[in-house]
Amino acid sequence: GENVEQHPSTLSVQEGDSAVIKCTYSDSASNYFPWYKQELGKRPQLIIDIRSNVGEKKDQRIAVTLNKTAKHFSLHITETQPEDSAVYFCAASRTKGKLIFGQGTTLQVKP
Amino acid sequence: NAGVTQTPKFQVLKTGQSMTLQCAQDMNHEYMSWYRQDPGMGLRLIHYSVGAGITDQGEVPNGYNVSRSTTEDFPLRLLSAAPSQTSVYFCASSPVGNNEQFFGPGTRLTVL
Repeated sequence: GENVEQHPSTLSVQEGDSAVIKCTYSDSASNYFPWYKQELGKRPQLIIDIRSNVGEKKDQRIAVTLNKTAKHFSLHITETQPEDSAVYFCAASRTKGKLIFGQGTTLQVKP
Repeated sequence: NAGVTQTPKFQVLKTGQSMTLQCAQDMNHEYMSWYRQDPGMGLRLIHYSVGAGITDQGEVPNGYNVSRSTTEDFPLRLLSAAPSQTSVYFCASSPVGNNEQFFGPGTRLTVL
């Protein structure tokens, strides 16, 4: 079945450093790859997404890269700040309305 | 717009009870989905709908029913609650024009 693996499960960085979270997916027909940020007790919020016809997308300090051949995609956060501390989820989709999520990465940014 | 709303925010059930989690959106989105979130397991898709009258199963559909009689509403029914259904439930919707899913605030369900 469809599966998304996410690593690492926890990540601790110093403020100002970069953070990288990686995901692999099993369904080669997946064509949409969003990343969500979830703060404690809150709903997931979309921070960036990429479609299968694009290799990289950047939005200020956040970037996502996609390697369709290897079926993996990554989230890159540069110049991390304490407010970046949260749980981050990757997801993959081949059908609208149907997201398959990774297990999540808890990012801690130490001041 | 209120966006995606869910009721109740919290619920405690006894094993064997039934109940319906409500989800509504006022954005005229065609696509709606239900997820459950358990510690260390991310969000798992329960059921989803691509429009009024059309529903399909996700990764973990057993023990749950859905229907989509209107574009706005997508209720999730627990037929006979079990402790394994203790979780946080999120409803989400997305428009025809793009894939972004907008999440509701969630319902925290405890089954004793």
